[in-house]
Amino acid sequence: ILNVEQSPQSLHVQEGDSTNFTCSFPSSNFYALHWYRWETAKSPEALFVMTLNGDEKKKGRISATLNTKEGYSYLYIKGSQPEDSATYLCASPNYGGSQGNLIFGKGTKLSVKP
Amino acid sequence: ETGVTQTPRHLVMGMTNKKSLKCEQHLGHNAMYWYKQSAKKPLELMFVYSLEERVENNSVPSRFSPECPNSSHLFLHLHTLQPEDSALYLCASSQDSRGTEAFFGQGTRLTVV
Repeated sequence: ILNVEQSPQSLHVQEGDSTNFTCSFPSSNFYALHWYRWETAKSPEALFVMTLNGDEKKKGRISATLNTKEGYSYLYIKGSQPEDSATYLCASPNYGGSQGNLIFGKGTKLSVKP
Repeated sequence: ETGVTQTPRHLVMGMTNKKSLKCEQHLGHNAMYWYKQSAKKPLELMFVYSLEERVENNSVPSRFSPECPNSSHLFLHLHTLQPEDSALYLCASSQDSRGTEAFFGQGTRLTVV
């Protein structure tokens, strides 16, 4: 069974601070790494789906990197804003047979104070 | 709006009740999922349907019974639940069941009393 770990569990930053958090996953049989953003009372929404070692993706002030050989991904937020407050989830498909169902980490809860 | 709609948003039920959760997706996806979110735990996969056939059941108790009548609709039938089943139940869909991007509903907050 795939084990996806995220750290830290929670993070409190001031508006304008830049921050980052980590997702680690088994590097063997890697297929993809997903990042989701989950705001309170809303649905989790995909930020990035990454597949290639060394991949770096960016969406506005948020970016992510991927190292499949060592089994980790970083999510960076530059100049955090209060609206960035959310839980950030990473997930990786766990292949059993022909199915690749997403296995999620516990998430990093980010709070940005004005 | 993610294209995945769940009803009801909140549900309180007694341990002897029977209720159903509904999920509908308008994305043309072929796979649908039920996840459970309990406090301080990661999202736990309960059921996977691909092309309306159940392909995975992660050892979920039989008091949870899924139904997928077509590729756009997914139900979770609940009966004789326990208080520890209180949680947020999320439905999701994806293009296929091979680890592609998931689109989630807003969830049903279930309380069993």
